[in-house]
Amino acid sequence: DQQVKQNSPSLSVQEGRISILNCDYTNSMFDYFLWYKKYPAEGPTFLISISSIKDKNEDGRFTVFLNKSAKHLSLHIVPSQPGDSAVYFCAASAVQRGTYKYIFGTGTRLKVLA
Amino acid sequence: GAGVSQSPRYKVAKRGQDVALRCDPISGHVSLFWYQQALGQGPEFLTYFQNEAQLDKSGLPSDRFFAERPEGSVSTLKIQRTQQEDSAVYLCASSLVLGSSYNEQFFGPGTRLTVL
Repeated sequence: DQQVKQNSPSLSVQEGRISILNCDYTNSMFDYFLWYKKYPAEGPTFLISISSIKDKNEDGRFTVFLNKSAKHLSLHIVPSQPGDSAVYFCAASAVQRGTYKYIFGTGTRLKVLA
Repeated sequence: GAGVSQSPRYKVAKRGQDVALRCDPISGHVSLFWYQQALGQGPEFLTYFQNEAQLDKSGLPSDRFFAERPEGSVSTLKIQRTQQEDSAVYLCASSLVLGSSYNEQFFGPGTRLTVL
């Protein structure tokens, strides 16, 4: 039973347009949500996060929206750039056994077309 | 370097062979995590250390998997009698402190293990 789902395995967007990546979760105990970006042959790199007490967090071109009632979050990238082409993982976390344990989605491969 | 490093980057093992994967976390980071990432999947939690103490090993798939962090810095993930289903990328991550409001985990590049 997957607690964090990214239902779109891939997404293609024209350069300069908005990219919207979606993530759904099932566990209402999650209190922190994160997005990581991954290039081939590299480890995931932290992008942006949001606490469950907020509904929006913005950092430059990246904005994460959280809808707790729908158990849904999304990452908006605007404007999209070719360098944004990567796999994006959504992660949800909750404190368990003394630490924040992360549950990752399966990822969405974003391709930004020049 | 300032980041998390892992070695080897690639490992090919014959079925039944033992392997050891190393992780060097960011200096001063208290927490260390191991993840397994199968092809087409997201990283899945294996185990967690706070300093040298292994506080959670609930994600280890079998007793063939063993992890240690004896001095609270470098960690080793050992897999005994490897099986083909162990083929995956093994990721290590570290974070500064528990309970920080900014609880980002920093990931290493991973070790790609292929079991033939």
